[in-house]
Amino acid sequence: GAGVSQSPSNKVTEKGKDVELRCDPISGHTALYWYRQRLGQGLEFLIYFQGNSAPDKSGLPSDRFSAERTGESVSTLTIQRTQQEDSAVYLCASTQRVLPDTQYFGPGTRLTVL
Amino acid sequence: AQTVTQSQPEMSVQEAETVTLSCTYDTSESDYYLFWYKQPPSRQMILVIRQEAYKQQNATENRFSVNFQKAAKSFSLKISDSQLGDAAMYFCAYRRDVQFYFGTGTSLTVIP
Repeated sequence: GAGVSQSPSNKVTEKGKDVELRCDPISGHTALYWYRQRLGQGLEFLIYFQGNSAPDKSGLPSDRFSAERTGESVSTLTIQRTQQEDSAVYLCASTQRVLPDTQYFGPGTRLTVL
Repeated sequence: AQTVTQSQPEMSVQEAETVTLSCTYDTSESDYYLFWYKQPPSRQMILVIRQEAYKQQNATENRFSVNFQKAAKSFSLKISDSQLGDAAMYFCAYRRDVQFYFGTGTSLTVIP
């Protein structure tokens, strides 16, 4: 089946604008993660969704960041009033019910804030 | 806090040779998982190999193997018979419960 998909692939925005990033997990995957990867850095955990449970938002860097997920399907990550330090690749990953330790990643969205 | 350290920002290896990428981590837990992920220029993160901390036997996947030293909190990746397609960023990751923690990566160049 199809892997994790993300859109847009690239996004350029002006400082102060809001952006919305989308993630389509693999069908049937109950868990979904968002990560931020700054240039030359590792992955920074942002938020985690598991089924219908309350999301783990402990990684969100500020209240300008929020995310939603409808059931076990699409998730959107919203960044309000973007700042230049928000420029990064935003990666989404989903995991299977049976093997929650294996993450399947999407190709990411490269966000550039001018 | 759990942290993952990859002390080699860049490594290179001749095609067909063997290279070892190092990773250390910090944890007070006894039950956890460790991973190596590969990220080629396409940005797609691909699982290379994983190790359960309770298993003493080192994980192996074809040309990829790990040297897991639990007491030393070390988890190195060995790539044998390196191929041009192995060129990528390699990330070491630690998982405890639902949280994953990643190192800063090692950029591997394969020289023809």
